[in-house]
Amino acid sequence: NAGVTQTPKFRILKIGQSMTLQCTQDMNHNYMYWYRQDPGMGLKLIYYSVGAGITDKGEVPNGYNVSRSTTEDFPLRLELAAPSQTSVYFCASSYYPPTDTQYFGPGTRLTVL
Amino acid sequence: KNQVEQSPQSLIILEGKNCTLQCNYTVSPFSNLRWYKQDTGRGPVSLTIMTFSENTKSNGRYTATLDADTKQSSLHITASQLSDSASYICVVSSNHNAGNMLTFGGGTRLMVKP
Repeated sequence: NAGVTQTPKFRILKIGQSMTLQCTQDMNHNYMYWYRQDPGMGLKLIYYSVGAGITDKGEVPNGYNVSRSTTEDFPLRLELAAPSQTSVYFCASSYYPPTDTQYFGPGTRLTVL
Repeated sequence: KNQVEQSPQSLIILEGKNCTLQCNYTVSPFSNLRWYKQDTGRGPVSLTIMTFSENTKSNGRYTATLDADTKQSSLHITASQLSDSASYICVVSSNHNAGNMLTFGGGTRLMVKP
């Protein structure tokens, strides 16, 4: 199993540009999550999905969009990038919260200049 | 508001020494508490998980404790190794829907020096 994979690893965007962060898991998990981690801060939940076709907002959803057309993939879309979106983005998946462990991808480091 | 506070923010110890990391939380209702290890440039990896009724849980040289009355947890690392250098994150789950389930602490950055 590859687990949770994310692409790209690094990206630099200019203000106002758009991009999609890719996330794929091969563990047949129903639950998938997107977090952002700012330096010295705890992870903040952006969006989550409880299954294909079902998504919902987390704590900090503004400026982002998601879709879940398959069990495996959960892309995160940034529209009109802003410097405040400079962060490290982690995708995670699990069978069932809150008792199950979340498995995290390696992260995408995004800089918006 | 649910919060998880960790201390210290950073710690430097010599290889072979022991250390203890602290986690205080105000999360309700409480479901479980996890400690994650996050190596630089990688995603967090689960070390231990404890439910309300568990006081201690070990994983090799890592031992976590939980005091549900005082809402405190600690992670004790024994005979530290250079590979223990990482950030350690305390995560508390509540019995809500998937979106509100996890509150993350800011982490303790541990550096083990030879």
